Order: sequence, then C-alpha cells, then structure tokens
Amino acid sequence: RKEVEQDPGPFNVPEGATVAFNCTYSNSASQSFFWYRQDCRKEPKLLMSVYSSGNEDGRFTAQLNRASQYISLLIRDSKLSDSATYLCVVNEGTGFQKLVFGTGTRLLVSP
Amino acid sequence: DVKVTQSSRYLVKRTGEKVFLECVQDMDHENMFWYRQDPGLGLRLIYFSYDVKMKEKGDIPEGYSVSREKKERFSLILESASTNQTSMYLCASSFSDRGGEQYFGPGTRLTVT
Repeated sequence: RKEVEQDPGPFNVPEGATVAFNCTYSNSASQSFFWYRQDCRKEPKLLMSVYSSGNEDGRFTAQLNRASQYISLLIRDSKLSDSATYLCVVNEGTGFQKLVFGTGTRLLVSP
Repeated sequence: DVKVTQSSRYLVKRTGEKVFLECVQDMDHENMFWYRQDPGLGLRLIYFSYDVKMKEKGDIPEGYSVSREKKERFSLILESASTNQTSMYLCASSFSDRGGEQYFGPGTRLTVT
C-alpha cells in the first residue's frame, strides 16, 4: 500500500467549475500536511499547508480528517491557470521533517 | 525570493561514468534534499542534509552519495551511472523549523545511455 495515495486523474473541468481532490495517508503518526502544485516540466511549489481546523486561501480550501486519514483540496471558480498537477504531501518526520509525496492529481481546466 | 539553482537542466551520460549534480541555495537554509521523480512513482527522497558535513539516507540511497562542504551547496554523486538512474533529479532546501515548506530547484533531466 502506498504511503500517500491520490487519484491520478486527469480531472477535466470547465472554467468556473468547483473541483475537489482527495488524498489518503497510511501513517497515523504523520505530523503535518501540505498541498504542492507542479506545472508541466516545472518544479513543485508549496500551495498551502493543511490544518486540522481547515484553512482557506482565496479560492482554495484545504481540510484534514485525522480520524479517517484523508486530506482534501477544494478549488472554487477554476481558472485556466489552475491547470497543473496537485501533490498531496505528508510530513512523517519526528524530530526531522521527512516529507512523503503522493504521485499527484492532474487538473485540466478548459475554456 | 528564494532561489535554488541546479548546475544543469539536461545531462546525458554513459553507463559507468561518474556524475556530479550540484545544487546551490541562497536563503541560508539549514536543510537540503535530493529527490528523483519518475512517472507513476512520484518524488522519492535519495539523501538529505540538515547541516554542513551532515548527511542522512533517504528512501532510495543505493547507487548515490552526497557531499555538503558548505551550507549553501549540496552535491549528488552517481559513482557509476546506470540506465536505471535515468530520471528527473530535484534539489530542495528548507529552514529546519519549517521542513514542510521546501523550495525546489528547476530539476536536472539525466539520461544514462
């Protein structure tokens, strides 16, 4: 079983749509959680951290469910520029930060 | 702006050659990392370093070594390149108290023939 699992997609949505991605993780001792974004042929970049209480950054909302060990990312009012691969990332480190990356969910937003 | 640079964007080497990949960061980060990214496997940690001259094995260290002689520079060495080391190599860095916030370099696409 993979440590961090994501639906690879692609998710094809029209501009303006709302889209949600889920991710599950296997290590219940995981400390912190993140979403990274990776554009085609580019490096990953931190999109947002995920807090237990849920957090929002503009059109993006991230939520964590520790009991069920899943993390979600909601994108509202999708833009063409949101087309990218979204990586779910879990910090398994105790003491030292060790990130485990999911393989990513690809989003394609069309006009 | 944080900047992480890698010595080459594309590299082609022959089987058995020794390969050096260099990474430099300009934000005084304590931590530095080397990953490889392959389709369907995602990013996998090869080695990391939390201080000068310190190094720790990641999940797939076999066939690789690293060197960190200065805080800003972290080198990945393939002692004898093999075809299964053909991959995208990504370097990253972070502050020690914000390990989830890693900044990546643009990557080196290495092909071993």
